[in-house]
Amino acid sequence: ETGVTQTPRHLVMGMTNKKSLKCEQHLGHNAMYWYKQSAKKPLELMFVYNFKEQTENNSVPSRFSPECPNSSHLFLHLHTLQPEDSALYLCASSVRQGDNEQFFGPGTRLTVL
Amino acid sequence: KQEVTQIPAALSVPEGENLVLNCSFTDSAIYNLQWFRQDPGKGLTSLLLIQSSQREQTSGRLNASLDKSSGRSTLYIAASQPGDSATYLCAGANSGNTPLVFGKGTRLSVIA
Repeated sequence: ETGVTQTPRHLVMGMTNKKSLKCEQHLGHNAMYWYKQSAKKPLELMFVYNFKEQTENNSVPSRFSPECPNSSHLFLHLHTLQPEDSALYLCASSVRQGDNEQFFGPGTRLTVL
Repeated sequence: KQEVTQIPAALSVPEGENLVLNCSFTDSAIYNLQWFRQDPGKGLTSLLLIQSSQREQTSGRLNASLDKSSGRSTLYIAASQPGDSATYLCAGANSGNTPLVFGKGTRLSVIA
């Protein structure tokens, strides 16, 4: 266990659905990250939050909407997704942004039909 | 812009063999480099983190080296075991405030 949990572990949704992914870290960290891992592609950074403030948006489409209500929780709200958005979505945390020793959650396997 | 490459994409070895996984990066001004392990359908587990001022780090049977001048890092696994079977990812950052850039990984199979 890395101290980072993600729910749900698996999600199947239609293109018109709205769903949310949740990440929680129990490490006392102040930076949290969303990554996307697609088949045969490198891990792609999506968003970074440092002390609850969004500091990085890696040109992510607006159908993905992050939320960080406090340093321990991070959400990714999904709406009107496309089949090509199907991937493993990984959350990570670190002491602060700039501390690149990141701890990852188990991921949410998302399938968009 | 930093780019990270891992070759080979897949590797199969018999149990007990010592092996080396390779990672190359394009920008020698690397801040740190990290090796991760990922089991199928799971998240990443951090194995070793090497700062730019360091040349290697060791943890148990694992040893990671960093050669900035040649743009290479290696992960050495001694006396491999079937439980070492996983995908190994390396990732580098050019500064403390720039994102980690990941390679595609090397999928390792250790055959009993």
